[in-house]
Amino acid sequence: DAKTTQPPSMDCAEGRAANLPCNHSTISGNEYVYWYRQIHSQGPQYIIHGLKNNETNEMASLIITEDRKSSTLILPHATLRDTAVYYCIVQRSNDYKLSFGAGTTVTVRA
Amino acid sequence: GAGVSQSPSNKVTEKGKDVELRCDPISGHTALYWYRQSLGQGLEFLIYFQGNSAPDKSGLPSDRFSAERTGGSVSTLTIQRTQQEDSAVYLCASSAGLHRTGNTIYFGEGSWLTVV
Repeated sequence: DAKTTQPPSMDCAEGRAANLPCNHSTISGNEYVYWYRQIHSQGPQYIIHGLKNNETNEMASLIITEDRKSSTLILPHATLRDTAVYYCIVQRSNDYKLSFGAGTTVTVRA
Repeated sequence: GAGVSQSPSNKVTEKGKDVELRCDPISGHTALYWYRQSLGQGLEFLIYFQGNSAPDKSGLPSDRFSAERTGGSVSTLTIQRTQQEDSAVYLCASSAGLHRTGNTIYFGEGSWLTVV
């Protein structure tokens, strides 16, 4: 499976957009980009996923580069409750043995 | 239900006792998974159910661990003769199943197990 690279941490001001980068330069054509987050002491929470096209839902937007080697998760208006570890993974449609790397620890500050 | 529900949320047990952890997946989800996460560690896959059958039990760490799923819905993870190294958060997850448009997995809040 392709691996992902994320910055270890980032700060964001409350109310501002948070842009979280992820590199997945060895992604295969049949692998999706998934984002999850884990707030302290809670189970992982699905955020969004995509294959080629940009995606948007009520939580976030996902921008995938044309070559699919990198992506950016955008939290449009960060709140204090968005403070969490964010994980970017690549996953085939029949994958279920999820493996999270270190992720990006996002701290939203008032 | 609206999300994956797990019980108990917290369990403290004495070494050597058996424990049962319950999972109620999202309604209609045919696939169910158990993972565990030790303090500061990553996810560890335990078992995958499709319907009531378990095509992949490869992650169960020992024969003290077993799981079953009945009626294609609720699942129970049983740990016999618990050991201190079993202390972890046990996460249940479910998905609509493996299909070509992706397999989005939704997690419960976990059952925190402490073996003393």
